[in-house]
Amino acid sequence: QQPVQSPQAVILREGEDAVINCSSSKALYSVHWYRQKHGEAPIFLMILLKGGEQKGHDKISASFNEKKQQSSLYLTASQLSYSGTYFCGTERGAVLNRDDKIIFGKGTRLHILP
Amino acid sequence: NAGVMQNPRHLVRRRGQEARLRCSPMKGHSHVYWYRQLPEEGLKFMVYLQKENIIDESGMPKERFSAEFPKEGPSILRIQQVVRGDSAAYFCASSPGFRAFFGQGTRLTVV
Repeated sequence: QQPVQSPQAVILREGEDAVINCSSSKALYSVHWYRQKHGEAPIFLMILLKGGEQKGHDKISASFNEKKQQSSLYLTASQLSYSGTYFCGTERGAVLNRDDKIIFGKGTRLHILP
Repeated sequence: NAGVMQNPRHLVRRRGQEARLRCSPMKGHSHVYWYRQLPEEGLKFMVYLQKENIIDESGMPKERFSAEFPKEGPSILRIQQVVRGDSAAYFCASSPGFRAFFGQGTRLTVV
């Protein structure tokens, strides 16, 4: 039930790109992406609801594949502030049937070097 | 509009004592989640509540842990007879139906 995130950790130099993947064995209702810095609360980045959807802001974007079983987070021209642990959270329930919870993957640690 | 408020931020308990963690959701949010996070690990789901109703507690240990979200007041996560293994950060999140907003967490240390 827990989504699988890969890679577990990434080390980049400032300006390089990164892709973080999140996959499920079953079709999902939604995928949420969060970033957490050490000792802080997770911060919401974006949510994807539709198969084939792509969305993003600034240099961080994400996609949700047509089968709604995989999502990828794209970090372009990474900045030092992007360092942290990225979590994907998945829901399998429909919005009108709010009886499902958000289950998070184990996270991907991203470290940006100057 | 204040964010999700958790208190206390830090809590130290001796083994065998009780720990009470509070979470006040954002105004208008009727759903609350509790997650536990161990150092360098992910967010592990514990319980999902609506006002006066536990929707899903499949992630809660069957003994010593309980949660409530009364009609009035904050949601409470209660841990009885704490043990060292309960030491962790406990995050609460509230939701109006879509995205979840996280509180700053309560860091519980059992000594």
